[in-house]
Amino acid sequence: KQEVTQIPAALSVPEGENLVLNCSFTDSAIYNLQWFRQDPGKGLTSLLLIQSSQREQTSGRLNASLDKSSGRSTLYIAASQPGDSATYLCAVIRPLSGGYNKLIFGAGTRLAVHP
Amino acid sequence: NAGVTQTPKFRVLKTGQSMTLLCAQDMNHEYMYWYRQDPGMGLRLIHYSVGEGTTAKGEVPDGYNVSRLKKQNFLLGLESAAPSQTSVYFCASKTGDQPQHFGDGTRLSIL
Repeated sequence: KQEVTQIPAALSVPEGENLVLNCSFTDSAIYNLQWFRQDPGKGLTSLLLIQSSQREQTSGRLNASLDKSSGRSTLYIAASQPGDSATYLCAVIRPLSGGYNKLIFGAGTRLAVHP
Repeated sequence: NAGVTQTPKFRVLKTGQSMTLLCAQDMNHEYMYWYRQDPGMGLRLIHYSVGEGTTAKGEVPDGYNVSRLKKQNFLLGLESAAPSQTSVYFCASKTGDQPQHFGDGTRLSIL
């Protein structure tokens, strides 16, 4: 059974710091991996999608890497800002029969960036 | 763009009552999903649908039923609500290999 673990569960940093969020998964037979952001009282917003054949994806100050062999992904946030405060979730994507996919989520890392 | 809209946003029920959560998407997506999110846990898939008229069970389907009579709507029903079903419910939709789009959630409390 696929399990997804995110460490740390919570993180508080001063503005301007570079930081790394970790995601580990137990089964390397994944299709893709996706990072989401969730603001309080809101749904999930997709940040980065890494396909299994890729090793990393970048969008602005965000960089996500994927190492299937070790079962790990990291989300790197450069020069953090108070607006980055949110919960960050990773999800591994596994194929289901019939050609569609299933997301298996970690519990998230709650990030607070203080001025 | 409305995207994925969930109604209601909040609801309080008594044990044993029934209700239906509505998810509507205006992006002509084939796939739609219902998840629940509980404290300290990731989102867990309840049911999903790959097209109008088709539904399938996810990880935690017990106590829920779904229907997809129209492509744009995916309904989640609780026939006899239980306190263990207190949660935040999220609907999502997608097309092809594109990422899922999520609604803002329905906060459901069962007393």
